[in-house]
Amino acid sequence: DAGVIQSPRHEVTEMGQEVTLRCKPISGHNSLFWYRQTMMRGLELLIYFNNNVPIDDSGMPEDRFSAKMPNASFSTLKIQPSEPRDSAVYFCASSLFVEQFFGPGTRLTVL
Amino acid sequence: GESVGLHLPTLSVQEGDNSIINCAYSNSASDYFIWYKQESGKGPQFIIDIRSNMDKRQGQRVTVLLNKTVKHLSLQIAATQPGDSAVYFCAEKGWSAGGTSYGKLTFGQGTILTVHP
Repeated sequence: DAGVIQSPRHEVTEMGQEVTLRCKPISGHNSLFWYRQTMMRGLELLIYFNNNVPIDDSGMPEDRFSAKMPNASFSTLKIQPSEPRDSAVYFCASSLFVEQFFGPGTRLTVL
Repeated sequence: GESVGLHLPTLSVQEGDNSIINCAYSNSASDYFIWYKQESGKGPQFIIDIRSNMDKRQGQRVTVLLNKTVKHLSLQIAATQPGDSAVYFCAEKGWSAGGTSYGKLTFGQGTILTVHP
């Protein structure tokens, strides 16, 4: 299995632009998580999907952030408009039981 | 102005020594705990887990100890190697806002382990 796949690995954009991060979970996993990691705040859970349905989005910072999971093999996290304080590494993780398997992350830099 | 970030605990050891990384968790109702290892530029990787009905679990070169009385978790690494250098996170299985349990993990801030050859 290739593990959790994320794209792009690196993204550099300018303030105000729309950013879309993509994730392909491990086949057969029914839960998907989006995290953000910064030096200031550590690893934060943004949103959690179970069977493609958003269950807990209490960690989404504000309306500029949105996430979708149109099917079991694909999810997106969108930031519109992006701001410099959104610069971070964004991780996607998937699980079948409790153990979460993390992707390699997308390093986002907003100038 | 000066930015203030997390000040992660650090542990420096010599190759071959045993390492002990500690973690205090917050929720006495947590019933499952995981240790993750994160190397530079990579996502966290599972190391070992333990359920709350256990107080010790051993893996290959790693042992996790759980003390529910004081809500403390530790990870012991035997014969530490340079490849063990990473940030180590403990995570506890938490509860949703509605009080039901699902797979949400709450991560600690992490400990930086540096192994010197």
